[in-house]
This record gives sequence, C-alpha cells and structure tokens, in this order.
Amino acid sequence: ETGVTQTPRHLVMGMTNKKSLKCEQHLGHNAMYWYKQSAKKPLELMFVYSLEERVENNSVPSRFSPECPNSSHLFLHLHTLQPEDSALYLCASSQGIAGALQETQYFGPGTRLLVL
Amino acid sequence: AQSVTQLDSHVSVSEGTPVLLRCNYSSSYSPSLFWYVQHPNKGLQLLLKYTSAATLVKGINGFEAEFKKSETSFHLTKPSAHMSDAAEYFCVVSRLTSYGKLTFGQGTILTVHP
Repeated sequence: ETGVTQTPRHLVMGMTNKKSLKCEQHLGHNAMYWYKQSAKKPLELMFVYSLEERVENNSVPSRFSPECPNSSHLFLHLHTLQPEDSALYLCASSQGIAGALQETQYFGPGTRLLVL
Repeated sequence: AQSVTQLDSHVSVSEGTPVLLRCNYSSSYSPSLFWYVQHPNKGLQLLLKYTSAATLVKGINGFEAEFKKSETSFHLTKPSAHMSDAAEYFCVVSRLTSYGKLTFGQGTILTVHP
C-alpha cells in the first residue's frame, strides 16, 4: 500500500465546512484518478488527470474541486457537501493513459468521508 | 457503451473448497477485463487482467479467470479457498480506445467459513 497513499483515512465534516483530501503516488506514474465508492453502488469515476492536466470530469458537482499540482499529488477540495456525498473516496494512479487502456490502475486505501 | 454484471452479490464457501465468482460483460469493443479485490478498510488490489492475449489468465494468490467471448463471461476461480480470501471482489471492464475508463461491477462479497 505504500505505492498510493491517501490522507486523511477518515473525515467527518459538516455541510458548511471546507476540507481537502490528499493523494500521493510514489510509483512515478503520469495519470491519477478520483473515484467515489458509495454503499451498494459500483465505483464511480470522478476525475482523471494526465500529466497534471484534467482529461475527464465525469459530471461531478462543482462542490468537488480537484487539483493536481504535479504528477505525484492529487487533491480533492470539498465545500458545502451534502449528506449523500458520504462515501469512500479512492485515489488511483497508472503509468499512462492515452493508447494504454491496459494500464493497470493502482489504488490507495481511500478516505472514508461522513457528511453531517 | 460497456457494462459489467456480477451475478452474485454474496458467495459463501468453506475453507478448502473451490471458489467461483461470476462476471458477465458487455462491450462494443474488444475489452480489457480485470478482477480487483478489496479487503476491509483497504484499497483495491489487482488480482489479474485480461488484455487479448491468453484467454486463461492467472493472477495472484492462486486465482485465475477465463475469458469466454462467446459467453461474454470472465469468471474468477480458485481451486481451494483460504480464510484470507474473504473480501469483496470487483470485475472491471476497460474500453480499449479510451483512457482511464474503467467500468466496475457491483462487487461480490466472498465469505469463507472454517
């Protein structure tokens, strides 16, 4: 699990709070992803970054704001969330993306978020 | 469009008996297929992947899966279950021409009894 790390592991926040989730990959990869895992629903891809450029925004509400300052770090800034946003947020990375659909994605342990 | 259906939400086996986790996929293109495992409070770990090479794919921890195009299936098997195999398993399809576009199944929770 040292390949992709996520902090914090658990987060409780009110609907008016602003918080950030952090992901760091130590694998030298060029692509990073945010996923949302809700109870009884398949994993949902939220954002994809390649070489620090966002290449996919999967119809995610604007209260989720990603940031990728370099190829090793990915943030998810949260503000005015709703209780239904409570979920496990997973970060992943892969070597590359374009023309490399076989690229394996390596996942972090996730941040368990509870919005009150 | 692509989709994946895991036919069982829960599978329960006894230790030492075979494991079968079923997955059917739908894809308009030649897919890549993956199985991931998620242990409690852990991230997803890749078990194995199929990328149009051999149809029988061997993965870690004694798991394997067979790609059957005629049946659009990619079932995961293991000859003998171990207590440490208890986890949730996800079948995943990736479209060959798009990047980072994994489509996950709903997951199958595997319980292993002593």
